[in-house]
Amino acid sequence: KQEVTQIPAALSVPEGENLVLNCSFTDSAIYNLQWFRQDPGKGLTSLLLIQSSQREQTSGRLNASLDKSSGRSTLYIAASQPGDSATYLCAVSGSARQLTFGSGTQLTVLP
Amino acid sequence: GAGVSQSPRYKVAKRGQDVALRCDPISGHVSLFWYQQALGQGPEFLTYFQNEAQLDKSGLPSDRFFAERPEGSVSTLKIQRTQQEDSAVYLCASSSTTGGSQETQYFGPGTRLLVL
Repeated sequence: KQEVTQIPAALSVPEGENLVLNCSFTDSAIYNLQWFRQDPGKGLTSLLLIQSSQREQTSGRLNASLDKSSGRSTLYIAASQPGDSATYLCAVSGSARQLTFGSGTQLTVLP
Repeated sequence: GAGVSQSPRYKVAKRGQDVALRCDPISGHVSLFWYQQALGQGPEFLTYFQNEAQLDKSGLPSDRFFAERPEGSVSTLKIQRTQQEDSAVYLCASSSTTGGSQETQYFGPGTRLLVL
């Protein structure tokens, strides 16, 4: 059974810092890995999707990498802003189509 | 509409009541997924549909949970005889594809269910 772990569970940084969120998964037979953002009381917003054949994806200040063989992904956020404060979730999909999520990293960016 | 919508947004039920949660997917999306998110946890898969066919219901926690999508668009998740452990946010997602490495699931805002 696929298991996804995210470290750290919570992170607090001053505005302007670069930061890295980590995600690991136990079964490397994935189709893709997605990073989502969740604001309090809201649904999930997809940030980046990395297909299993890809190594990284970039969108603005966000960069996500995937090392499928070692079962790891990182989300790099450059020049963090208070508006980046949210919970970041990592999820993997496979042949069963369901997304398997980690428990998330709660990020607070202090002004 | 532009995105996935869910109703009601909040639901308070007394233990033992039946509830029905509705999901309107993005127009034209063939696949629809339901997830349950407990406080402080990531979402967990419940079931999914491709058009009107329920292809996987392995995540439904008990036979009190039932989902349907009779016309291949709107879906309803029904919980019978609710229990306190059913309290959670129920998320619906839809996708324009039938799987594969490029599939992106688009999520609705969720229904927050509180069972007293």
